[in-house]
Amino acid sequence: DADVTQTPRNRITKTGKRIMLECSQTKGHDRMYWYRQDPGLGLRLIYYSFDVKDINKGEISDGYSVSRQAQAKFSLSLESAIPNQTALYFCATSDLSGRRGTDTQYFGPGTRLTVL
Amino acid sequence: GESVGLHLPTLSVQEGDNSIINCAYSNSASDYFIWYKQESGKGPQFIIDIRSNMDKRQGQRVTVLLNKTVKHLSLQIAATQPGDSAVYFCAENIGGAQKLVFGQGTRLTINP
Repeated sequence: DADVTQTPRNRITKTGKRIMLECSQTKGHDRMYWYRQDPGLGLRLIYYSFDVKDINKGEISDGYSVSRQAQAKFSLSLESAIPNQTALYFCATSDLSGRRGTDTQYFGPGTRLTVL
Repeated sequence: GESVGLHLPTLSVQEGDNSIINCAYSNSASDYFIWYKQESGKGPQFIIDIRSNMDKRQGQRVTVLLNKTVKHLSLQIAATQPGDSAVYFCAENIGGAQKLVFGQGTRLTINP
């Protein structure tokens, strides 16, 4: 979805390096998410944010941190990258519509991260 | 804990045939379900959704069926086309948790 952009699209780094992945959205959505995708494991939630002052851990937050710089921007950092963090990373957004049960998420194109 | 899983990791069908992708969920509190399609090199794309107060919902060439009794969700794709080849994920929204739990995914291959 062109409304959700991620940079970089591909990154190769070395063990111990600090890496930041960035996500921007023009959908005007309040909620933003970071997921990791590994082969055979589907999407797993790392962190999510329901508004600029709200940050929540997902199921696999260890080794990651996030920053919600603005409504439209949500970045993911790996403070000291390790090889098992090699994966596809997706950002997503959704609209806090107020209607219960309609948390449809819209995904960015993904960042392929390789940690050597 | 809650989980969403798929019965088959891969599915191959002939072009023009109908396909059915299945999903089992375990949390009775789930109140909203979504199917996503992910093509190679792209992010998941919304296909269709259904609320727990419905049993069936239809879109263009796609139908989602929900059986709450056995906690089962399915995606039917009619008259499959080569462009339908992708990985399909189901996701559930657990009421009150305000976040989605994704299944493992099923790879659908359309044979010419």
